[in-house]
Amino acid sequence: GENVEQHPSTLSVQEGDSAVIKCTYSDSASNYFPWYKQELGKRPQLIIDIRSNVGEKKDQRIAVTLNKTAKHFSLHITETQPEDSAVYFCAASLPRTDKLIFGTGTRLQVFP
Amino acid sequence: DAGVTQSPTHLIKTRGQQVTLRCSPKSGHDTVSWYQQALGQGPQFIFQYYEEEERQRGNFPDRFSGHQFPNYSSELNVNALLLGDSALYLCASSWKTGSSYEQYFGPGTRLTVT
Repeated sequence: GENVEQHPSTLSVQEGDSAVIKCTYSDSASNYFPWYKQELGKRPQLIIDIRSNVGEKKDQRIAVTLNKTAKHFSLHITETQPEDSAVYFCAASLPRTDKLIFGTGTRLQVFP
Repeated sequence: DAGVTQSPTHLIKTRGQQVTLRCSPKSGHDTVSWYQQALGQGPQFIFQYYEEEERQRGNFPDRFSGHQFPNYSSELNVNALLLGDSALYLCASSWKTGSSYEQYFGPGTRLTVT
Protein backbone atom coordinates (compact mmCIF):
# COMPACT_ATOMS: atom_id res chain seq x y z
CA GLY A 1 0.00 0.00 0.00
CA GLU A 2 0.90 3.68 -0.09
CA ASN A 3 3.58 4.77 2.36
CA VAL A 4 4.91 8.24 3.17
CA GLU A 5 8.27 8.86 4.83
CA GLN A 6 9.08 12.22 6.40
CA HIS A 7 12.39 13.77 7.49
CA PRO A 8 13.67 15.14 9.74
CA SER A 9 11.70 14.18 12.82
CA THR A 10 12.86 17.32 14.63
CA LEU A 11 14.18 20.61 13.29
CA SER A 12 15.45 23.58 15.24
CA VAL A 13 16.13 26.90 13.53
CA GLN A 14 16.85 30.47 14.54
CA GLU A 15 14.15 33.04 13.92
CA GLY A 16 14.52 34.42 10.40
CA ASP A 17 16.19 31.31 9.02
CA SER A 18 14.60 28.95 6.51
CA ALA A 19 13.25 25.48 7.29
CA VAL A 20 12.85 22.58 4.87
CA ILE A 21 10.93 19.36 5.51
CA LYS A 22 11.08 16.51 3.03
CA CYS A 23 8.71 13.64 2.25
CA THR A 24 8.87 10.63 0.00
CA TYR A 25 5.88 8.65 -1.20
CA SER A 26 5.79 5.11 -2.51
CA ASP A 27 2.86 5.00 -4.97
CA SER A 28 3.65 6.85 -8.20
CA ALA A 29 -0.09 7.22 -8.85
CA SER A 30 -0.49 9.59 -5.88
CA ASN A 31 -1.81 12.91 -7.13
CA TYR A 32 -2.51 15.13 -4.13
CA PHE A 33 -0.04 16.25 -1.46
CA PRO A 34 -1.23 18.43 1.44
CA TRP A 35 0.77 19.76 4.36
CA TYR A 36 -0.76 20.18 7.80
CA LYS A 37 0.42 22.16 10.82
CA GLN A 38 -0.57 20.87 14.24
CA GLU A 39 0.04 22.91 17.35
CA LEU A 40 0.06 21.19 20.72
CA GLY A 41 -3.42 20.00 21.66
CA LYS A 42 -5.00 21.39 18.50
CA ARG A 43 -6.38 20.08 15.23
CA PRO A 44 -4.23 19.62 12.12
CA GLN A 45 -4.62 22.70 9.92
CA LEU A 46 -4.14 22.62 6.17
CA ILE A 47 -1.43 25.16 5.32
CA ILE A 48 -0.68 24.40 1.69
CA ASP A 49 -1.25 21.65 -0.85
CA ILE A 50 -0.10 20.70 -4.33
CA ARG A 51 -1.49 18.52 -7.08
CA SER A 52 0.56 16.26 -9.29
CA ASN A 53 0.17 18.49 -12.36
CA VAL A 54 2.07 21.32 -10.62
CA GLY A 55 5.75 21.44 -9.70
CA GLU A 56 5.74 24.27 -7.18
CA LYS A 57 3.26 26.37 -5.23
CA LYS A 58 3.86 29.40 -3.00
CA ASP A 59 1.79 31.17 -0.39
CA GLN A 60 3.63 34.06 1.23
CA ARG A 61 6.44 32.52 3.35
CA ILE A 62 5.45 28.94 2.58
CA ALA A 63 6.20 26.95 -0.56
CA VAL A 64 5.85 23.33 -1.60
CA THR A 65 7.79 21.62 -4.38
CA LEU A 66 7.03 18.29 -6.02
CA ASN A 67 9.40 16.01 -7.93
CA LYS A 68 7.22 13.28 -9.44
CA THR A 69 10.15 11.42 -10.95
CA ALA A 70 11.84 11.02 -7.58
CA LYS A 71 8.51 10.79 -5.71
CA HIS A 72 9.64 13.57 -3.38
CA PHE A 73 7.85 16.65 -2.12
CA SER A 74 9.11 19.30 0.26
CA LEU A 75 7.83 22.13 2.44
CA HIS A 76 9.87 25.32 2.54
CA ILE A 77 9.28 27.98 5.19
CA THR A 78 11.24 31.20 4.81
CA GLU A 79 11.82 33.94 7.41
CA THR A 80 10.68 31.63 10.20
CA GLN A 81 8.93 33.10 13.23
CA PRO A 82 8.40 31.66 16.73
CA GLU A 83 4.72 31.11 15.90
CA ASP A 84 5.80 28.68 13.16
CA SER A 85 6.79 26.28 15.96
CA ALA A 86 4.55 23.20 15.67
CA VAL A 87 4.46 19.67 14.28
CA TYR A 88 4.17 19.53 10.51
CA PHE A 89 2.72 16.54 8.67
CA CYS A 90 2.92 15.75 4.99
CA ALA A 91 0.37 13.48 3.37
CA ALA A 92 -0.43 11.89 0.03
CA SER A 93 -3.54 10.49 -1.58
CA LEU A 94 -4.36 8.50 -4.69
CA PRO A 95 -6.76 9.49 -7.47
CA ARG A 96 -10.49 9.05 -6.79
CA THR A 97 -9.87 8.68 -3.07
CA ASP A 98 -9.86 11.09 -0.15
CA LYS A 99 -7.82 8.69 1.96
CA LEU A 100 -4.81 10.61 3.24
CA ILE A 101 -1.64 8.72 4.12
CA PHE A 102 0.36 10.80 6.58
CA GLY A 103 4.05 11.02 7.28
CA THR A 104 5.31 10.64 10.84
CA GLY A 105 5.61 14.38 11.43
CA THR A 106 8.38 16.94 11.96
CA ARG A 107 8.60 18.94 15.15
CA LEU A 108 9.80 22.42 14.18
CA GLN A 109 11.16 24.72 16.86
CA VAL A 110 11.94 28.32 16.00
CA PHE A 111 14.10 30.06 18.60
CA PRO A 112 13.90 33.85 19.00
CA ASP B 1 -19.64 29.44 8.70
CA ALA B 2 -19.10 26.67 11.23
CA GLY B 3 -16.08 24.50 10.84
CA VAL B 4 -15.86 20.81 11.67
CA THR B 5 -17.07 20.06 15.18
CA GLN B 6 -16.63 16.94 17.31
CA SER B 7 -18.02 15.71 20.60
CA PRO B 8 -17.15 14.93 23.25
CA THR B 9 -13.79 16.65 23.73
CA HIS B 10 -12.46 14.08 26.15
CA LEU B 11 -13.61 10.63 27.17
CA ILE B 12 -12.38 8.04 29.65
CA LYS B 13 -13.51 4.43 29.23
CA THR B 14 -12.62 1.05 30.69
CA ARG B 15 -11.33 -1.91 28.70
CA GLY B 16 -14.15 -3.88 27.13
CA GLN B 17 -16.57 -0.97 27.02
CA GLN B 18 -18.04 0.63 23.93
CA VAL B 19 -17.77 4.26 22.84
CA THR B 20 -19.49 6.53 20.33
CA LEU B 21 -17.87 9.67 18.97
CA ARG B 22 -19.67 12.32 16.92
CA CYS B 23 -18.71 14.64 14.11
CA SER B 24 -20.47 17.45 12.25
CA PRO B 25 -18.83 18.40 8.96
CA LYS B 26 -18.02 21.87 7.73
CA SER B 27 -20.98 23.59 6.11
CA GLY B 28 -21.29 22.51 2.48
CA HIS B 29 -19.25 19.34 2.93
CA ASP B 30 -20.76 15.92 2.22
CA THR B 31 -17.98 13.49 3.13
CA VAL B 32 -16.58 12.55 6.52
CA SER B 33 -13.37 10.65 7.14
CA TRP B 34 -12.19 9.37 10.52
CA TYR B 35 -8.58 9.17 11.63
CA GLN B 36 -6.84 7.81 14.73
CA GLN B 37 -3.81 9.73 15.97
CA ALA B 38 -1.71 8.01 18.60
CA LEU B 39 0.60 10.17 20.69
CA GLY B 40 3.58 11.35 18.65
CA GLN B 41 2.29 9.80 15.43
CA GLY B 42 0.60 10.97 12.27
CA PRO B 43 -3.12 10.39 11.79
CA GLN B 44 -4.08 6.91 10.55
CA PHE B 45 -7.10 6.55 8.24
CA ILE B 46 -9.95 4.51 9.74
CA PHE B 47 -12.76 4.89 7.20
CA GLN B 48 -14.74 7.35 5.12
CA TYR B 49 -18.46 7.94 4.74
CA TYR B 50 -20.22 9.43 1.75
CA GLU B 51 -23.94 9.24 0.88
CA GLU B 52 -24.49 7.43 4.19
CA GLU B 53 -22.27 4.52 3.17
CA GLU B 54 -18.76 3.44 4.12
CA ARG B 55 -16.76 4.04 0.94
CA GLN B 56 -13.23 3.23 2.03
CA ARG B 57 -11.64 1.56 5.00
CA GLY B 58 -8.15 1.51 6.45
CA ASN B 59 -6.46 -1.32 8.35
CA PHE B 60 -8.70 -1.27 11.39
CA PRO B 61 -10.63 -4.24 12.84
CA ASP B 62 -14.38 -4.64 12.68
CA ARG B 63 -14.60 -3.32 16.24
CA PHE B 64 -14.48 0.07 14.55
CA SER B 65 -17.72 0.95 12.82
CA GLY B 66 -19.50 4.09 11.79
CA HIS B 67 -22.53 5.75 10.43
CA GLN B 68 -23.42 8.82 8.42
CA PHE B 69 -26.75 10.58 8.76
CA PRO B 70 -28.79 12.39 6.07
CA ASN B 71 -27.48 15.74 7.37
CA TYR B 72 -23.91 14.44 6.67
CA SER B 73 -22.95 14.21 10.33
CA SER B 74 -21.23 11.01 11.36
CA GLU B 75 -20.56 8.71 14.30
CA LEU B 76 -17.62 6.47 15.05
CA ASN B 77 -18.28 3.46 17.26
CA VAL B 78 -15.61 1.35 18.89
CA ASN B 79 -16.57 -1.90 20.63
CA ALA B 80 -14.62 -4.01 23.12
CA LEU B 81 -12.16 -1.23 23.84
CA LEU B 82 -8.49 -2.09 24.25
CA LEU B 83 -5.79 -0.07 25.97
CA GLY B 84 -4.24 0.48 22.54
CA ASP B 85 -7.35 2.32 21.39
CA SER B 86 -6.29 5.29 23.51
CA ALA B 87 -5.68 8.09 21.02
CA LEU B 88 -6.95 11.33 19.56
CA TYR B 89 -9.78 10.59 17.14
CA LEU B 90 -10.09 13.13 14.38
CA CYS B 91 -12.77 13.55 11.80
CA ALA B 92 -12.18 15.43 8.59
CA SER B 93 -14.76 16.69 6.15
CA SER B 94 -14.50 17.33 2.44
CA TRP B 95 -16.72 17.98 -0.55
CA LYS B 96 -16.66 14.93 -2.81
CA THR B 97 -19.55 16.13 -4.94
CA GLY B 98 -17.52 19.20 -5.79
CA SER B 99 -14.42 17.15 -6.55
CA SER B 100 -12.51 19.12 -3.97
CA TYR B 101 -9.46 17.53 -2.47
CA GLU B 102 -9.13 19.59 0.70
CA GLN B 103 -9.93 17.92 4.00
CA TYR B 104 -10.59 20.01 7.08
CA PHE B 105 -10.13 18.50 10.50
CA GLY B 106 -12.18 18.85 13.64
CA PRO B 107 -10.60 19.44 17.07
CA GLY B 108 -10.69 15.74 17.87
CA THR B 109 -11.89 13.59 20.74
CA ARG B 110 -9.22 12.44 23.19
CA LEU B 111 -10.10 8.86 24.21
CA THR B 112 -8.37 7.29 27.17
CA VAL B 113 -8.92 3.59 27.85
CA THR B 114 -7.97 2.38 31.32
